[in-house]
Amino acid sequence: EVQLVESGGGLVKPGGSLRLSCAASGFTFSNAWMSWVRQAPGKGLEWVGHIKGKTGGGTTDYAAPVKGRFSISRDDSKNTLYVQMDSLKTEDTAVYYCTTDGTFDIWGQGTMVTVSS
Amino acid sequence: DIQMTQSPSSLSASVGDRVTITCRASQSISNYLNWFQQKPGKAPKLLISAASSLKSGVPSRFSGSGSGTDFTLTISSLQPEDFATYYCQQSYSTPRTFGQGTRVEIK
Repeated sequence: EVQLVESGGGLVKPGGSLRLSCAASGFTFSNAWMSWVRQAPGKGLEWVGHIKGKTGGGTTDYAAPVKGRFSISRDDSKNTLYVQMDSLKTEDTAVYYCTTDGTFDIWGQGTMVTVSS
Repeated sequence: DIQMTQSPSSLSASVGDRVTITCRASQSISNYLNWFQQKPGKAPKLLISAASSLKSGVPSRFSGSGSGTDFTLTISSLQPEDFATYYCQQSYSTPRTFGQGTRVEIK
């Protein structure tokens, strides 16, 4: 079964850090470009960033609001995608989804991140 | 960055109605346009990719058209399970921008 499962969300104070994981199964993960997308409570969808697959060199790109604070990585041996989130702000509070970049046809269930003092 | 503008932001419709949602890109994106459906508390679901390619398993009452800067999602006969929020998104370049969403409500 094709599946993405996120984990690692929770409550963190402003200025803190959190690392989210996304476990992939049922498709060739190493070749897949992968994105993180977030959705603040009651708001629309916002692309966070992506990482290219092995053939694309594994390079990353980020949305302006998170550039320099978030870092996306992958471990193809574990079929797992990560996002390291540092210097968190209250406006980073959202459900975070991992998804396949390009056609965005596979999505995880999402994990909630709350940044609050 | 490419801006994606959807209209309307919300609409009320009845079961059986034909519904059209439009999406305009701030510059040409060829056909790199995806449409998603999202229900409360759930992940987005891809309906259409490449502007008009219906994802396998999606009912044929959904269709997409357009290229360049102007795109349309049409639901030919609205069903009860179609009440949701719909988003367009461009995958032509980064950042992968989304439209602000169109909420389809029951009239």
